[in-house]
Amino acid sequence: AQSVSQHNHHVILSEAASLELGCNYSYGGTVNLFWYVQYPGQHLQLLLKYFSGDPLVKGIKGFEAEFIKSKFSFNLRKPSVQWSDTAEYFCAVLTGGGNKLTFGTGTQLKVEL
Amino acid sequence: DAGVIQSPRHEVTEMGQEVTLRCKPISGHNSLFWYRQTMMRGLELLIYFNNNVPIDDSGMPEDRFSAKMPNASFSTLKIQPSEPRDSAVYFCASSLAGLYQETQYFGPGTRLLVL
Repeated sequence: AQSVSQHNHHVILSEAASLELGCNYSYGGTVNLFWYVQYPGQHLQLLLKYFSGDPLVKGIKGFEAEFIKSKFSFNLRKPSVQWSDTAEYFCAVLTGGGNKLTFGTGTQLKVEL
Repeated sequence: DAGVIQSPRHEVTEMGQEVTLRCKPISGHNSLFWYRQTMMRGLELLIYFNNNVPIDDSGMPEDRFSAKMPNASFSTLKIQPSEPRDSAVYFCASSLAGLYQETQYFGPGTRLLVL
């Protein structure tokens, strides 16, 4: 069965710092990849997704992610975080032939002023 | 578009009571998913439907949980009898399934507390 690993469980950054959150998946076939964000007390919102084409994907609010097939990775990045980026971030994988999203355990990001 | 609608947003009940959570997917979407989120286990897929038919219910924790989708615009998740360990946030999501390029859109969730 496929799995998704997010190695950073808690990240604390100062405003304007750069962000990179790791995501690795285990599945050898074709994948669709997603990053969702969950602000405190709110539901999951889609940040960005990769289906095919350019492996560097740009999403909302200045986030981007790069799909590196050889490393089975889809890391999330933002060059300069803001206090309002404080949230939990989930990486998710959709594997071929199914509707089932597999989520990582999430990374709690706290941005300090 | 109103997005995925869930009700109630909050539910507090006593152990042993029946709980029914409701979901209205985005109009035109043909797949619907029920997730549970807890601190201990993160996000878990409980069950999903495609064209109103349950496709995979392997995530349903036990027989106390049941889900139905009587039509394309409504689904319920029922817990009977409820137990304190069922306390969690339950999310419903929907997508337009087809050709393997779908995105799931989540509802606001139902925060359930079983005392």
